[in-house]
Amino acid sequence: QQQVKQSPQSLIVQKGGISIINCAYENTAFDYFPWYQQFPGKGPALLIAIRPDVSEKKEGRFTISFNKSAKQFSLHIMDSQPGDSATYFCAAAGSSNTGKLIFGQGTTLQVKP
Amino acid sequence: KAGVTQTPRYLIKTRGQQVTLSCSPISGHRSVSWYQQTPGQGLQFLFEYFSETQRNKGNFPGRFSGRQFSNSRSEMNVSTLELGDSALYLCASSHGTPGSPLHFGNGTRLTVT
Repeated sequence: QQQVKQSPQSLIVQKGGISIINCAYENTAFDYFPWYQQFPGKGPALLIAIRPDVSEKKEGRFTISFNKSAKQFSLHIMDSQPGDSATYFCAAAGSSNTGKLIFGQGTTLQVKP
Repeated sequence: KAGVTQTPRYLIKTRGQQVTLSCSPISGHRSVSWYQQTPGQGLQFLFEYFSETQRNKGNFPGRFSGRQFSNSRSEMNVSTLELGDSALYLCASSHGTPGSPLHFGNGTRLTVT
């Protein structure tokens, strides 16, 4: 019940294309869903986050889509750039667990020039 | 504003030894969380401290412990090191309220030989 399942494990996209990463969760107590980007040698950096009361949130080229009934959420990276090549993690947390994020296994994205 | 600072960046220890890792949170943040990152298990929550009290704990053995000081700085200690403790240890700080974003440091890379 505490798991967050992320797919795909790796993704190769051409420059200018759309990168899509999917996550699914089971625990209905989760109410905060962030996405993190991690470059080699660095810690994860928060990209964008969403709560279940909205179905979509957009920040620049990054969009989260959220489907509460299916318990799924996804990250779309529009106009993907080589600089977006990194590992992406989805995560989930309940309001009673402020510092405890349950992370997906990560997706390694490579954007080819 | 300075980010989350973790020291040291790299550590090499021998099985059976103990180690202490340090984390300085973003100024004004009262919550510090610790995570272990490995290729096999991904990012796993260790514990969270808020106002010098452990507020949440993950599923790690008692060899893993932590503390937080009055200035919100935190330390994590691992005793009787095992080979499997080799990992990147990440610290994250936040305001500690529900939904407040976690900001990660760049981690301490611990190698146990």
